[in-house]
Amino acid sequence: NAGVMQNPRHLVRRRGQEARLRCSPMKGHSHVYWYRQLPEEGLKFMVYLQKENIIDESGMPKERFSAEFPKEGPSILRIQQVVRGDSAAYFCASSPVADNRGPYEQYFGPGTRLTVT
Amino acid sequence: SQQGEEDPQALSIQEGENATMNCSYKTSINNLQWYRQNSGRGLVHLILIRSNEREKHSGRLRVTLDTSKKSSSLLITASRAADTASYFCARGGSGGSYIPTFGRGTSLIVHP
Repeated sequence: NAGVMQNPRHLVRRRGQEARLRCSPMKGHSHVYWYRQLPEEGLKFMVYLQKENIIDESGMPKERFSAEFPKEGPSILRIQQVVRGDSAAYFCASSPVADNRGPYEQYFGPGTRLTVT
Repeated sequence: SQQGEEDPQALSIQEGENATMNCSYKTSINNLQWYRQNSGRGLVHLILIRSNEREKHSGRLRVTLDTSKKSSSLLITASRAADTASYFCARGGSGGSYIPTFGRGTSLIVHP
């Protein structure tokens, strides 16, 4: 059973370009979470999605950032018109279940390291 | 929000010694989880302890939870160089939130 997969592992973009980060959850997991991590800091929650639905996007900037988890295919985190402050590691995690008795164990991908030049 | 703190921020010990990391939080929780992150990697789940539990063990790991003090500790016994990593606690569940809140972590270095 493959783990959570993210690609690309490293992404370099110039200011103003678009960045697309992809995440394939573990098989059987329908709950996906995106986090951002700056050096020497913890993970900051960005968005929580289920198939075809954004459940909680309270941690995601309102402008330039968007996320989707289509019925088929990976979840995508899209950053438009990147700026240097977007440089960070972006992690995706998945879980098999989510309810108000949670949160439950999350399985993390290896991350995408975005560098904006 | 359920802001909290982990301490110490950094811990440096010799192989064979025990390492203790602490995590505090401010609001009620359903559970608290500990994760490990090796440099440049994703997080790996270690232990989940529920709010009605006081202690859990997994191999050389021991986690305690004191809900009256809103704090948890992670003890790694007989540490090894391979335990070198950052350790994060993630708490959540207050108000029906599905989203765990991660702290800034404790950076542990175990010298061989």
